[in-house]
Amino acid sequence: GAVVSQHPSWVICKSGTSVKIECRSLDFQATTMFWYRQFPKQSLMLMATSNEGSKATYEQGVEKDKFLINHASLTLSTLTVTSAHPEDSSFYICSARVPGGHTEAFFGQGTRLTVV
Amino acid sequence: GQNIDQPTEMTATEGAIVQINCTYQTSGFNGLFWYQQHAGEAPTFLSYNVLDGLEEKGRFSSFLSRSKGYSYLLLKELQMKDSASYLCAAMDSNYQLIWGAGTKLIIKP
Repeated sequence: GAVVSQHPSWVICKSGTSVKIECRSLDFQATTMFWYRQFPKQSLMLMATSNEGSKATYEQGVEKDKFLINHASLTLSTLTVTSAHPEDSSFYICSARVPGGHTEAFFGQGTRLTVV
Repeated sequence: GQNIDQPTEMTATEGAIVQINCTYQTSGFNGLFWYQQHAGEAPTFLSYNVLDGLEEKGRFSSFLSRSKGYSYLLLKELQMKDSASYLCAAMDSNYQLIWGAGTKLIIKP
């Protein structure tokens, strides 16, 4: 199947700093990528849909100025958590689907963010 | 609104069979997915159903009834490594995935 690579796998940062997470589709072009957040023992929560060459679409309640998404190419989307706080500590996962509609979502490995 | 319902937690015995149910309500329908997620890891794809009926893949099978808005994942010959969360997701008319909260499956020896 298609491969989505996410980096880093885990990161610890100080409160008030910014963290960038990368999501790459390695063997296909992804015009759309999805960013999820998952708190312990909870399901995936869609944060935003990243569209190549245009602005991301954010879900209700997600601060677009805090969670900056850039989808500059067909194989790379980045999520930057700005001015991180301890409550932003979570598991962040990206996914992409091979263009065509009826396909499974391929997930990156996830990034465990801990803000101290 | 769009909604996915699945049990929060289930317990089964090693070697047995377990069925995890999922009901969905979406704006349009383009298929039903099941994913497995081990703690601290990303979800991995298990199955996709878009037509009514049963799809079998080794120890895992998935069933869909579009008229009832219902699916189940059947796991046979349970192994300890099957302990995980199982996520049901329905694809709506815009090809967006609507996710259930996941079912935590606990396997006991």
